[in-house]
Amino acid sequence: AQKVTQAQTEISVVEKEDVTLDCVYETRDTTYYLFWYKQPPSGELVFLIRRNSFDEQNEISGRYSWNFQKSTSSFNFTITASQVVDSAVYFCALSEAEGNTPLVFGKGTRLSVIA
Amino acid sequence: DAGVTQSPTHLIKTRGQQVTLRCSPKSGHDTVSWYQQALGQGPQFIFQYYEEEERQRGNFPDRFSGHQFPNYSSELNVNALLLGDSALYLCASRRGGGYNEQFFGPGTRLTVL
Repeated sequence: AQKVTQAQTEISVVEKEDVTLDCVYETRDTTYYLFWYKQPPSGELVFLIRRNSFDEQNEISGRYSWNFQKSTSSFNFTITASQVVDSAVYFCALSEAEGNTPLVFGKGTRLSVIA
Repeated sequence: DAGVTQSPTHLIKTRGQQVTLRCSPKSGHDTVSWYQQALGQGPQFIFQYYEEEERQRGNFPDRFSGHQFPNYSSELNVNALLLGDSALYLCASRRGGGYNEQFFGPGTRLTVL
């Protein structure tokens, strides 16, 4: 069975600090996708990134970066120089790579960035 | 191009009642999935519809049923509501065939009293 664990329930940082959100996953599949979504107070899930299990290269997009380590089954998300607008709940998710398989989500990490 | 839309935004029901939630997929999308997100939890997969048939189902009782119409829009029905059904219900759509990105709607907040 697939499982995603986000051990950090809530994180609070001061604006401009860097913050890392942890994600650990379990799956028996050899091919799978990992995701990060942002959920602002409005409720809509906003897609941030998808990573194929065969691609372990780290990725950077502006202030966001992701560190995928297959050896430790982790897919961590770092926000550099955090801003108040980054305040939201962040979800890590996992799905099989074949067909239209559903997403398995972690419980989320609530990030509060204080001005 | 409109994204995924859901109606209503909020809904209040009492225990034992029935409810219908609606979802219109993003243009060009033919596959619709429903997720339940309880307070403080991550979304949980309910079921997925493609070509007007339920294709996959998560661990939800038969009280949860759905439908997909020829225009790809979808309904989620919940019978005999329980207090525990209070949650944000999210609809997601994608193009079928191969792996394609899912886009989520803003959700319907259901409160059962």
